[in-house]
Amino acid sequence: QVQLQESGPGLVKPSETLSLTCVVSDFSRDYYWGWIRQPPQKGLEWIGSISYSGSASYNPSLRSRVGLSVDPSRNQFSLTLTSVTAADTAVYYCARDQVGGSNQHDYWGQGTLVTVSS
Amino acid sequence: DIQLTQSPSSLSASVGERVTITCRASQTINRYLNWYQLRPGMAPKLLIYAASSLQSGVPSRFSGSASRTDFTLTISSLQPEDFATYYCQQTYGTPRTFGQGTKVEIK
Repeated sequence: QVQLQESGPGLVKPSETLSLTCVVSDFSRDYYWGWIRQPPQKGLEWIGSISYSGSASYNPSLRSRVGLSVDPSRNQFSLTLTSVTAADTAVYYCARDQVGGSNQHDYWGQGTLVTVSS
Repeated sequence: DIQLTQSPSSLSASVGERVTITCRASQTINRYLNWYQLRPGMAPKLLIYAASSLQSGVPSRFSGSASRTDFTLTISSLQPEDFATYYCQQTYGTPRTFGQGTKVEIK
């Protein structure tokens, strides 16, 4: 069973950059790797997904501020979100994306809460 | 963006009851529709993918169906561990979008 674990600062100041890492127990080239977030008392929002080789797709609503990267040597992939505001306060999840089928997120991390506040 | 409208937004049910949650897409998405279960403090769980395929390890009381742009998640006999929030997601278009969620509570 694949395990994913998010890590990063729990508090980020407005206008600064949010950076999160997801460590994967089995970081395979056969999958894509994604990020999803959930603001407090709100629904889920897909941020983007990236392949093992670094090909990424993004939510257009966040595209100007989001960066995804992979580091296969360390079994991890990362998210950066620039110029954050209070609206970026959320639980951030990393997930494994199946290729084919319906591109479902079949394994998720437990999530990490990031609060944007001065 | 493709909109997904889930109904109801919440429901109360008893253990053993049959529960049905609906997700309507704003346009055709073929069968690119997934269902997830979220419980507080736990990793989200994939239940159904491609509209009706049961994810490995998920109990058979969960099932999914599709009719054009209407999708349904059914729990045939609600168990205590099923009290949670359920989300549908389409992966046909970019961005991938989720429904607003359905919270299943204990009656």
